[in-house]
Amino acid sequence: DSGVTQTPKHLITATGQRVTLRCSPRSGDLSVYWYQQSLDQGLQFLIQYYNGEERAKGNILERFSAQQFPDLHSELNLSSLELGDSALYFCASSPSGRVNNEQFFGPGTRLTVL
Amino acid sequence: DAKTTQPTSMDCAEGRAANLPCNHSTISGNEYVYWYRQIHSQGPQYIIHGLKNNETNEMASLIITEDRKSSTLILPHATLRDTAVYYCIVRVYSGGSNYKLTFGKGTLLTVNP
Repeated sequence: DSGVTQTPKHLITATGQRVTLRCSPRSGDLSVYWYQQSLDQGLQFLIQYYNGEERAKGNILERFSAQQFPDLHSELNLSSLELGDSALYFCASSPSGRVNNEQFFGPGTRLTVL
Repeated sequence: DAKTTQPTSMDCAEGRAANLPCNHSTISGNEYVYWYRQIHSQGPQYIIHGLKNNETNEMASLIITEDRKSSTLILPHATLRDTAVYYCIVRVYSGGSNYKLTFGKGTLLTVNP
């Protein structure tokens, strides 16, 4: 158990819908990272937040957005969902904003878009 | 971007050392090499990282060549639970003082009884 929690574990929705994935980092960790893992693309970095502010951006679509709240939990919002958005979404956390720190990954949310 | 090249798959006998190679010939002087593994759709797990010196922890050893163009992750006594996809990663500069980890396809290590 990494100490990072993600909810929900599974999510099934329809194309065009909007969903919110939630992540609680390990106690004391200030950075949260979001990743998408699909069968054809592998594990892709989406975005990083550090202490409430966006720190780094990866291959995140404009239909996706994220935020980190004062209590340091983070949410990833996915809108206008398409079939290709079906994937495992992982959240990770680390103590600081430096990627030199190891990242602790949560168990993931499996999103299925029908 | 410093990319990495790893074999798609490898086999290892239980109890033997598993040596997983990684090429990162375009790595720059201040870029670290990281290793993570992922056991069947679970969240990736950090193993080890290094810059230029060899590193060892309770999970594995990391051997980095002197020219830093390649590295080897060593699991000294592989067990069946070590069967996983192993990712060798070089962090990528993403602007300002920020970096990100870019995961490739990794190596599927299968430990056989």
